[in-house]
Amino acid sequence: SAVISQKPSRDICQRGTSLTIQCQVDSQVTMMFWYRQQPGQSLTLIATANQGSEATYESGFVIDKFPISRPNLTFSTLTVSNMSPEDSSIYLCSVGMPGVPDTQYFGPGTRLTVL
Amino acid sequence: QQQVKQSPQSLIVQKGGISIINCAYENTAFDYFPWYQQFPGKGPALLIAIRPDVSEKKEGRFTISFNKSAKQFSLHIMDSQPGDSATYFCAASKIGGGNKLTFGTGTQLKVEL
Repeated sequence: SAVISQKPSRDICQRGTSLTIQCQVDSQVTMMFWYRQQPGQSLTLIATANQGSEATYESGFVIDKFPISRPNLTFSTLTVSNMSPEDSSIYLCSVGMPGVPDTQYFGPGTRLTVL
Repeated sequence: QQQVKQSPQSLIVQKGGISIINCAYENTAFDYFPWYQQFPGKGPALLIAIRPDVSEKKEGRFTISFNKSAKQFSLHIMDSQPGDSATYFCAASKIGGGNKLTFGTGTQLKVEL
């Protein structure tokens, strides 16, 4: 597996502001994903982060609200824009590794609270 | 539409007992079924996974049973320990699906002394 770190680990933000979450992996990965986990709930895929091109968003998620970058094979960012209290969640990145098809490994998550 | 249904929502088991969590899926294109374990404040950790070409996979105290015809799979935790107390998620992904996982709703397991 890989060592995956996320920054920040948690944050408290004001309504209407934006927060950028970073995901860093210690080795090159094939796939990178961003998930949202609302309090006490399951994980919902936001988007697949594509290296050097626009992310692929799932139904219900749009680029204007959740812009994503992936400039290389080990790093990605997710921005939560124009936040509202409904955006309070844990945001998780996950990665797929070369030679390990289908398997995803998750980062520790970023706990976001919007006031 | 909930593509992966998980039950029970919560489970209390005595130390040394067997914990059983069940999942059912609808999409026959799913071909990879992992289980994740999540402790409070942590990201999900891959526990064990199975593909439809086998009916059972065992790793230590953890076993996945898979019933392709019924479109069901389950996690068995043998000799459950208090350290197993966590939330467990089943998931599924499909061929050509870009590795995207669809998660079940989660089961909160508590193992009591």
